[in-house]
Amino acid sequence: DAGVIQSPRHEVTEMGQEVTLRCKPISGHNSLFWYRQTMMRGLELLIYFNNNVPIDDSGMPEDRFSAKMPNASFSTLKIQPSEPRDSAVYFCASRPDSAWNSPLHFGNGTRLTVT
Amino acid sequence: SQQGEEDPQALSIQEGENATMNCSYKTSINNLQWYRQNSGRGLVHLILIRSNEREKHSGRLRVTLDTSKKSSSLLITASRAADTASYFCATDGKGAQKLVFGQGTRLTINP
Repeated sequence: DAGVIQSPRHEVTEMGQEVTLRCKPISGHNSLFWYRQTMMRGLELLIYFNNNVPIDDSGMPEDRFSAKMPNASFSTLKIQPSEPRDSAVYFCASRPDSAWNSPLHFGNGTRLTVT
Repeated sequence: SQQGEEDPQALSIQEGENATMNCSYKTSINNLQWYRQNSGRGLVHLILIRSNEREKHSGRLRVTLDTSKKSSSLLITASRAADTASYFCATDGKGAQKLVFGQGTRLTINP
């Protein structure tokens, strides 16, 4: 079991540029979550998918953020255009199903720095 | 706002001592989960306690849940330097599939 795989591990970009973060969930997991972590706001849920369908995107900060899950083994989180306040660690997590007693498996995150 | 809030924000103890962290939440839940995060890594699931359970053990971990007070505690007994990490509680609102995390407690175990 390779775990949840995120890429890149680090991303440094200039304000205004497009940023794409990638996630490969654990095989067989059909729920996927994107979180953002900052010192000030802690862990914030951005969006989650069940069976590749977005269920709740109420945590997406604004229209500059978008997420897709074209198939069960891949998801992207895109920021366009990026701003310095988007600097954070972005985590992807997956779990076997949508059951409430199912724990999340996290990737090691992408540290995004927007200058 | 966050569903769960941990207390204290930071805790520093000597190796071998017990560490207790608390979590309070706001709405009814199906379950409460505790996670650990080592520096520069993702969160790792530790233990889950259901809303109809009051106490649960796993190795050196002991979790309690008081639904009347909407609070939980995580006790780590006989702490080790390797327990140094941040600890988060996470809750789901009843009927919700998403997990909402608290701000976490930074635990430092001094050798």
